[in-house]
Amino acid sequence: DAKTTQPTSMDCAEGRAANLPCNHSTISGNEYVYWYRQIHSQGPQYIIHGLKNNETNEMASLIITEDRKSSTLILPHATLRDTAVYYCIVAYTGTASKLTFGTGTRLQVTL
Amino acid sequence: DTGVSQDPRHKITKRGQNVTFRCDPISEHNRLYWYRQTLGQGPEFLTYFQNEAQLEKSRLLSDRFSAERPKGSFSTLEIQRTEQGDSAMYLCASSPRQGFPLSYEQYFGPGTRLTVT
Repeated sequence: DAKTTQPTSMDCAEGRAANLPCNHSTISGNEYVYWYRQIHSQGPQYIIHGLKNNETNEMASLIITEDRKSSTLILPHATLRDTAVYYCIVAYTGTASKLTFGTGTRLQVTL
Repeated sequence: DTGVSQDPRHKITKRGQNVTFRCDPISEHNRLYWYRQTLGQGPEFLTYFQNEAQLEKSRLLSDRFSAERPKGSFSTLEIQRTEQGDSAMYLCASSPRQGFPLSYEQYFGPGTRLTVT
């Protein structure tokens, strides 16, 4: 699986959009981009995934660049409950095995 | 609540003792995963079951670790002769999807925090 690079931490004001970047320059054509988050003392929570098209669900939007070497997770109106560690993961779906987590981005949403 | 459940939530044990954790996945999920997470790090994969078959094991899973999923439903993770380095959060996840392409949409439980003294 391709490696990902994320900033260690970010801050965002409540009510504003949180834009979390991820670099995955070695991604291959059959690898998807997944985002999970982990709120303190809880298990990780799936957010969204995509291959090459932008995706949106009730939690977030995922913007993938045309060359697929980077992506951005957008939380359109961040709340205090969105404070968490956000993990960007690249995975090949030809097998059903492990997710490889990095250290993620710690997002702090403030008043 | 029909999410993934884990028991116990916390376990304190003395070095050298054996411990066993249980995971109940979401009903009818055929894939079940175990991960370990230490402070400040992301979860690390330990092992994976499809139904009752254990299909992949990480090199992190030493001989002291064993996992089972006897009837393809709940799973247990046992650690024998615990060491202080085993102190961590042990996470279980399950996944519902079948077919191709497979999905990495995994549903995690709350974890079991193990402290070895």
